[in-house]
Amino acid sequence: SYELTQPPSVSVSPGQTASFTCSGDKLGDKYTCWYQQKPGQSPVLVIYQNNKRPSGIPERFSGSSSGNTATLTISGTQAMDEADYYCQAWDSSTYVVFGGGTKLTVL
Amino acid sequence: EVQLLESGGGLVQPGGSLRLSCAASGFTFSSYAMSWVRQAPGKGLEWVSSISGSGDSTYYADSVKGRFTVSRDNSKNTLYLQMNSLRAEDTAAYYCAKVFQGIVYYFDYWGQGTLVTVSS
Repeated sequence: SYELTQPPSVSVSPGQTASFTCSGDKLGDKYTCWYQQKPGQSPVLVIYQNNKRPSGIPERFSGSSSGNTATLTISGTQAMDEADYYCQAWDSSTYVVFGGGTKLTVL
Repeated sequence: EVQLLESGGGLVQPGGSLRLSCAASGFTFSSYAMSWVRQAPGKGLEWVSSISGSGDSTYYADSVKGRFTVSRDNSKNTLYLQMNSLRAEDTAAYYCAKVFQGIVYYFDYWGQGTLVTVSS
């Protein structure tokens, strides 16, 4: 079965850049999306198709993908960005797969 | 405005059954695949099941295959998840999600979730 791996945590200071990685076999050949989930809330899509932002998502959120790794980047991180971030891809054998999630702490 | 409202969660004993519902509005329900995604307390997201817009095609995670059944009633704009032979490890918040499917597959709208607790 297909698996996506994310580091459990990332910490940044306000105004700095936060980067989240998501690793999977030949992930760059698939499309990755990213969700933000704040405590007690439902997930929210922040990036789809590797690097596209849904309407309403701030420009500081960006994405990229190459090789075995997809990356979500938050430029100028704000306190309101503190949340869990999940990557997700579609695979023909496993169908939908999520990464384990990364908790962002804004110090 | 897209709205997804889950219901049917609650406390059930191991081995028991429960049916979740998700009432959808704000979009042409029959035109979109729908999914269930769950999240155990303090854990990450886990895809559970998906169903095509017509209801003809269904997909399941290995962890629920043979125990859960997804269905939909397009005349009522409602998605269902029939859960049988429930186990303690099925305890989770269950979200219904609208699928955007093309060259990509992702969830563009989520419900607020309904909590299922499997315990004696």
